[in-house]
Amino acid sequence: GEDVEQSLFLSVREGDSSVINCTYTDSSSTYLYWYKQEPGAGLQLLTYIFSNMDMKQDQRLTVLLNKKDKHLSLRIADTQTGDSAIYFCAESISSASKIIFGSGTRLSIRP
Amino acid sequence: GAVVSQHPSWVICKSGTSVKIECRSLDFQATTMFWYRQFPKQSLMLMATSNEGSKATYEQGVEKDKFLINHASLTLSTLTVTSAHPEDSSFYICSARRQGIQETQYFGPGTRLLVL
Repeated sequence: GEDVEQSLFLSVREGDSSVINCTYTDSSSTYLYWYKQEPGAGLQLLTYIFSNMDMKQDQRLTVLLNKKDKHLSLRIADTQTGDSAIYFCAESISSASKIIFGSGTRLSIRP
Repeated sequence: GAVVSQHPSWVICKSGTSVKIECRSLDFQATTMFWYRQFPKQSLMLMATSNEGSKATYEQGVEKDKFLINHASLTLSTLTVTSAHPEDSSFYICSARRQGIQETQYFGPGTRLLVL
């Protein structure tokens, strides 16, 4: 079935890069997403990548996709305190279909 | 960008009462909306897909008679938690798919429900 897995916690020093990893099982996944959720708030779409792409960069964010291994990563360059949040990896087979979320990775920033 | 609102943002109710949560797409039409729930420190789980003008499609294990969904217009879907119990306390988040745009869904800010 569909499953998305990611590690629960990540701690990085301010100014360093953060790399959050995710694996998924559904080979028919077409859209792969990264969402950010701050405490008590809803979801903010950070970026998404199509399954026919290997990489997507948007300012401080870099998404890498290894479709063969069904592995997705999100790199945040120059991590700031405002990046503290839970980051959800997610996938769907189309823009109209349901989104399957991972458990979320809580990113904490230390000075 | 596209905006999706939810009302109320917070609700506290007594056990046995019903609670209605609204999800609105403010600047676009949405033929499809999705309802998710999120328990503390857990991920989002899809409850149902709401289709304008037709019955909602519920995920396995979600009671359709308990979680009533109505999608009467292209900008509004409602989720009614009937006869709420403390175990229904959760964070309910909706999303709306923008019609005609091949992109993704826009999420509302969520509604936190506490059943006493």
